[in-house]
Amino acid sequence: EVLLTQSPDFQSVTPKEKVTITCRASQSIGSSLHWYQQKPDQSPKLLIKFASQSFSGVPSRFSGSGSGTDFTLTINSLEAEDAATYYCHQSRTLPWTFGQGTKVEVK
Amino acid sequence: EVQVVESGGGLVQPGGSLRLSCVASGFTLSNYWMHWVRQAPGKGLLWVSRISSDGSDTSYADSVKGRFTISRDNAKNTLYLQMDSLRVEDTAVYYCSRVTTGQPMDVWGQGTTVTVSS
Repeated sequence: EVLLTQSPDFQSVTPKEKVTITCRASQSIGSSLHWYQQKPDQSPKLLIKFASQSFSGVPSRFSGSGSGTDFTLTINSLEAEDAATYYCHQSRTLPWTFGQGTKVEVK
Repeated sequence: EVQVVESGGGLVQPGGSLRLSCVASGFTLSNYWMHWVRQAPGKGLLWVSRISSDGSDTSYADSVKGRFTISRDNAKNTLYLQMDSLRVEDTAVYYCSRVTTGQPMDVWGQGTTVTVSS
């Protein structure tokens, strides 16, 4: 099973600041790493697929990078509506797995 | 509008059974693999199961293997999750999600809540 470890677990950020979340895989997963945003009492929403491809309709301030075992989600110029928990997810091998989540609070 | 809607959750005693349903609309279910993902209260996301577009290929997380059965009825645009021998640790919100072959889960339902408690 591929273990995904995100850091940090929690981040408190002021609006317009830049947010960086990392995700490290326990083995190489190529670019089969995706990022989801989940707001309270909502289902997850796909932000970035295959490490760096923006999903349709996602604001351009969200971007992703990385390959192999190390990946990054960046939120440029954070907005209040970005308060959420962010999960990385790998679809390279079964069982599909998720990171533990990073909660982003907007001050 | 493309969407999936889960139902069938509820309160059940340990050892009991429930069948979850997920109805798809706005797209042809038979063209997609479908997955179930769950989220225990206050916890992260856990992949549970998947089924191929024609129902011939299924996979399960080790924690539910032998107790849960995924199935689908493409004529009814419906996905199912039969959950037997339920345990307290199965308590969670269960989401169904759509997957285009080779792509990540892109459409998720609002979830249905399963509570296993005596």
